[in-house]
Amino acid sequence: NAGVTQTPKFRILKIGQSMTLQCTQDMNHNYMYWYRQDPGMGLKLIYYSVGAGITDKGEVPNGYNVSRSTTEDFPLRLELAAPSQTSVYFCASSWRFQETQYFGPGTRLLVL
Amino acid sequence: GESVGLHLPTLSVQEGDNSIINCAYSNSASDYFIWYKQESGKGPQFIIDIRSNMDKRQGQRVTVLLNKTVKHLSLQIAATQPGDSAVYFCAEAGGGFKTIFGAGTRLFVKA
Repeated sequence: NAGVTQTPKFRILKIGQSMTLQCTQDMNHNYMYWYRQDPGMGLKLIYYSVGAGITDKGEVPNGYNVSRSTTEDFPLRLELAAPSQTSVYFCASSWRFQETQYFGPGTRLLVL
Repeated sequence: GESVGLHLPTLSVQEGDNSIINCAYSNSASDYFIWYKQESGKGPQFIIDIRSNMDKRQGQRVTVLLNKTVKHLSLQIAATQPGDSAVYFCAEAGGGFKTIFGAGTRLFVKA
């Protein structure tokens, strides 16, 4: 099992550009999550999904969008990138809702 | 312990010593707690979990202690090794709300 994979590993965006962060898991988990991690801070939940076709906002959803067309994939879309979105983004999945989560390696995003 | 801000609490231990990392959680309704380890440049990795009906749980070289009275969680690492150097953070879940992650404690292991 590859677990949770994320692409790209690193990206630099200019203000106003858009991009999609990819996330795939091969553990057949129904639950998937997107977090951002800022230096010295705990993980903040952006969006989550309880199954294909179902998504919901987390703590910090503004400026982001998600979709969940399959169990495996949970892409995160940034529209009109802003410097405040400079962060490390982690995708995670779990067997039970909000219980032990398996994280991807992260995407480091710099918005200039 | 946990703190929010740019500078994480740091614990420095000698190789072979035991490490104790502390965490204060916020919601008395939380009934599930998890410790994660995050190495530099990597995603968080599950270490051990505990439910609120337990006070102690042991894994391989790790023990988690839960004190619900004072809302305190600790992670004990026995015979700490250089490979244990990382940021450790706790998470609380349950009670009908989303998982809350602490900022973490940085563990340095001196050889």
